[in-house]
Amino acid sequence: QVQLQQSGPGLVKPSQTLSLTCAISGDSVSSNSAAWNWIRQSPSRGLEWLGRTYYRSKWYNDYAVSVQRRIIINPDTSKSQISLQLNSVTPEDTAIYYCARAYEYNAYGMDVWGQGTTVTVSS
Amino acid sequence: DIQMTQSPSSLSASVGDRVTITCRASQSISTYLNWYQQRPGKAPKLLISSAFSLQSGVPSRFGGSGSGTDFTLTISCLQPEDFATYYCQQTYRTPITFGQGTRLEIK
Repeated sequence: QVQLQQSGPGLVKPSQTLSLTCAISGDSVSSNSAAWNWIRQSPSRGLEWLGRTYYRSKWYNDYAVSVQRRIIINPDTSKSQISLQLNSVTPEDTAIYYCARAYEYNAYGMDVWGQGTTVTVSS
Repeated sequence: DIQMTQSPSSLSASVGDRVTITCRASQSISTYLNWYQQRPGKAPKLLISSAFSLQSGVPSRFGGSGSGTDFTLTISCLQPEDFATYYCQQTYRTPITFGQGTRLEIK
């Protein structure tokens, strides 16, 4: 059974860096047909895809334009996890953050999700 | 970006009813269309991928159809646990985008 376990702080100060991790069990972060995503959800923005990392003989990343200058998603094969780093946060980054798995055979539908982390940006 | 527009935004129905939710893409996305159900306080759950492929464990009263720009999610014979919010999502091209959601409420 595949599980994604998120961890990270729930409160971040404005202008600082939001850092979350997503530990993967029951699957391989290096799978040649999977993609590992970060999504956030807020009342004002709805469900917003932030980016993904995936391995196809080498590592690739795709990022949403809205955050691409501030975001880094990294895989960590030794720990079987992915991480999200979002720099220079503002109150508009307040949201529930999710990691999710997607597979090519499933049209990259996100079939396994983390439990979600509520992140508040406030001083 | 590909815009996804769902209708209606909210819907009231009764147990046993048949309901249809539509999703329109701003450009053709072939069948790279997925449907999710989200209950309050929970992560979204993938119901249907590739426009019509029911995920394992999802009841057969859920069905999806469409291709190109127009898609539908149909729930036949609504059950109490089906009252939730539903989202469509396109994965044809990045950035991956979601519809704004359809809230299904009990009449």
